[in-house]
Amino acid sequence: EVHLVESGTGLAQPGGSLRLSCAASGFTFSSFEMNWVRQAPGKGLEWVSYISGSGNSIFYADSVKGRFTISRDNAKNSLFLQMNSLRVEDTAVYYCARVRRTSGSYFVGDWGQGTQVTVSS
Amino acid sequence: NFILTQPHSVSESPGKTVTISCTRSSGYIGNNYVHWYQQRPGSAPTTLIYDDDQRPSGVPDRFSGSIDRSSNSASLTISGLRPEDEADYYCQSYDNRNPWVFGGGTKLTVI
Repeated sequence: EVHLVESGTGLAQPGGSLRLSCAASGFTFSSFEMNWVRQAPGKGLEWVSYISGSGNSIFYADSVKGRFTISRDNAKNSLFLQMNSLRVEDTAVYYCARVRRTSGSYFVGDWGQGTQVTVSS
Repeated sequence: NFILTQPHSVSESPGKTVTISCTRSSGYIGNNYVHWYQQRPGSAPTTLIYDDDQRPSGVPDRFSGSIDRSSNSASLTISGLRPEDEADYYCQSYDNRNPWVFGGGTKLTVI
């Protein structure tokens, strides 16, 4: 069974930094692309960042480009999100999400339980 | 960039059928698959429908997805509504320039 467990819940001041982690188990981690998806309070889902299985291909949403860095350690079955220059609008629950591919598509096949990030002075 | 527009909320009675739409603002809906996610209150999302109309294992056949090319939209239909279907539902699609686009979500109330 696939398990994705996020950690790094925290409170940061505007301009500060936080690092989120996601521990993966139940599958061959290095074979799967991963995403971070967030959800602001009372709002919908927003894609944040993508990383390929090897880590060689990375994409970011415009809202976090230049401030967030996604990475992975396949030896430790872990996904990370380094968040710098945090803004109040980055306050959200952050989900670790495993990408599933079909012959003509890709989507989120599995979700973690989420971790809360609060940015406030 | 395209957006996916969903109704903010829908409501229906137990045992009835409800349909939630997801309209693509630009680009042809049929060019890229649409996926659906369910998020129950206080829980993480789960995958409900992928590739327009495919159900992951474990998802009941009360849930079905479809595409309407004439309206450039996708639809999620839930039949035999149950109280536990009360949740937020999100559609998601993509194109070459926008790899991950979510709809704004629809809150389903089973009254």
